[in-house]
Amino acid sequence: LAKTTQPISMDSYEGQEVNITCSHNNIATNDYITWYQQFPSQGPRFIIQGYKTKVTNEVASLFIPADRKSSTLSLPRVSLSDTAVYYCLVALYSSASKIIFGSGTRLSIRP
Amino acid sequence: DTGVSQDPRHKITKRGQNVTFRCDPISEHNRLYWYRQTLGQGPEFLTYFQNEAQLEKSRLLSDRFSAERPKGSFSTLEIQRTEQGDSAMYLCASSGPPGPQGNTGELFFGEGSRLTVL
Repeated sequence: LAKTTQPISMDSYEGQEVNITCSHNNIATNDYITWYQQFPSQGPRFIIQGYKTKVTNEVASLFIPADRKSSTLSLPRVSLSDTAVYYCLVALYSSASKIIFGSGTRLSIRP
Repeated sequence: DTGVSQDPRHKITKRGQNVTFRCDPISEHNRLYWYRQTLGQGPEFLTYFQNEAQLEKSRLLSDRFSAERPKGSFSTLEIQRTEQGDSAMYLCASSGPPGPQGNTGELFFGEGSRLTVL
């Protein structure tokens, strides 16, 4: 199972774009990259998933370089409500009997 | 569908007692996961079911922990002879079929069951 490495914490201000990078050097050919968001006392919530290049949805963008050994979650114009922990995971459904979360990145947004 | 529900939301017990948590996944989801989370840490994988079959169990799970999913619908997680170190949030998640390229289905989490062992 590919291991991921993320910064422990990040700070930013309202209205800024925030980029959180995740390193996954041992990603397998068929693994997908998924990001989750977690607020205190709640379960994680799916944000975005991708395999290569760029994926965008109404919440975030995910940038994946050609070698796929890292990925960057981009949150445009953050607000105070984006303060949360963000987790990067790599897994393939057919082998996803054991989806592993790391320690995540604690993002704090200030006014 | 109201999503993944867990019961109870909070449980306070004395050391040595048994506790049981229940998880009702999204109805059409055949995959079910249990995680444990302590303060400041990411969710820690405990066990995984596909339908009623328990296909994966963490080595971190001692013999005091047991999980079932008898009819491939709801699941229970029982902790026997609880210890103070069992105090944590217990999270349940479910997922449905894979995407067209076999990509991982989105995990839908419940709000968790918080256990406090005195």
